Amino acid sequence: EADIYQTPRYLVIGTGKKITLECSQTMGHDKMYWYQQDPGMELHLIHYSYGVNSTEKGDLSSESTVSRIRTEHFPLTLESARPSHTSQYLCASSDSWGAGYGELFFGEGSRLTVL
Amino acid sequence: DAKTTQPPSMDCAEGRAANLPCNHSTISGNEYVYWYRQIHSQGPQYIIHGLKNNETNEMASLIITEDRKSSTLILPHATLRDTAVYYCIVRVGGGTSYGKLTFGQGTILTVHP
Repeated sequence: EADIYQTPRYLVIGTGKKITLECSQTMGHDKMYWYQQDPGMELHLIHYSYGVNSTEKGDLSSESTVSRIRTEHFPLTLESARPSHTSQYLCASSDSWGAGYGELFFGEGSRLTVL
Repeated sequence: DAKTTQPPSMDCAEGRAANLPCNHSTISGNEYVYWYRQIHSQGPQYIIHGLKNNETNEMASLIITEDRKSSTLILPHATLRDTAVYYCIVRVGGGTSYGKLTFGQGTILTVHP
């Protein structure tokens, strides 16, 4: 079982609210990622981090921001939620990537609905 | 990273082997083949990966053709709980882009009684 946790699992919120999706892992992994997935659609990488104080934008542009102050913690923030942000957000982590070794461990996801 | 092609859906009878194909004809020499699955919108789960040789673990077997242009994931005795979307991903095993997996549409495997 992977030790990566996301909260909240489900969130329904009104337009304009600020929200933070939490992601924590207890595996000591240095690399963490946020993916976004609409129902029935592909996963898209929106943010990643290679370690503390390192964050990068992913392949899909997102209005969300992330921070990595502690190795185990990688929160995602939306300053002003909009209905277009309604989606599932999946957090993942991985150890060093060696010669082909390295698997992503995913959390259960946070399903966000913005009214 | 090389592009992959998978059938959109497949069916399998419970207890039988499920063979999921993946084409990756533009794969380069330093790219690995990874398989993940996603059960009903949960977070994807790593299954197996390989470079050239066939691989087996407690979940599945991975058969890679000699020219590496295609591969097959084999679930030897499929159960109802194997019903999921299966993703075949090809990427370089290392470098600065590690972990940035590109998930395509995948194959929806339905295991029926």
